[in-house]
Amino acid sequence: KNQVEQSPQSLIILEGKNCTLQCNYTVSPFSNLRWYKQDTGRGPVSLTIMTFSENTKSNGRYTATLDADTKQSSLHITASQLSDSASYICVVSAIKAAGNKLTFGGGTRVLVKP
Amino acid sequence: GAVVSQHPSWVICKSGTSVKIECRSLDFQATTMFWYRQFPKQSLMLMATSNEGSKATYEQGVEKDKFLINHASLTLSTLTVTSAHPEDSSFYICSATPPGAGNWGTEAFFGQGTRLTVV
Repeated sequence: KNQVEQSPQSLIILEGKNCTLQCNYTVSPFSNLRWYKQDTGRGPVSLTIMTFSENTKSNGRYTATLDADTKQSSLHITASQLSDSASYICVVSAIKAAGNKLTFGGGTRVLVKP
Repeated sequence: GAVVSQHPSWVICKSGTSVKIECRSLDFQATTMFWYRQFPKQSLMLMATSNEGSKATYEQGVEKDKFLINHASLTLSTLTVTSAHPEDSSFYICSATPPGAGNWGTEAFFGQGTRLTVV
């Protein structure tokens, strides 16, 4: 069964600090892995999308890593800002999945405090 | 980037009435759109796959007669919650992927969501 597990479920960090979110998956055959940011009451917004050949991808202060061998990904937030408070969702897609059906992780809720 | 728009952003309705939610891909054509439901502090759960010109595909446990999906054109899918009850109160989100995905898939774009409250 395809699964995506994220950790931690939630975390609180001080403004300006860094943090790293984890994502482990068992989706096979692997196509790509995406990280989304979801503000409360809003739809998810894409941060990065990575295929199996990509190890690292950055989007501003967000850096995602992917280890396709161990089936692990991480999202690193550098110099956190109050606006980074949101849920971060790891989503994995399988090759030729019917209609691009995605497997969602449970998300990590991040709260940045001043 | 591509834009997917949902309408309305929020709606309050009386128990027993029906509510229609629209999902539009504004700058690309989508033969397939997806409808999700999200309860507080939980991740998105796929409800159904909306297919242009054919019947929607529903996930196990989702009542097709209660959640009517119509994909009338390549840019519009609608979700109608029929005979709504308070337990249907939730956050509903649609998504669509631009064509040309190939084997590796492309970005999935999400609407801004619709907060449904049934009173």
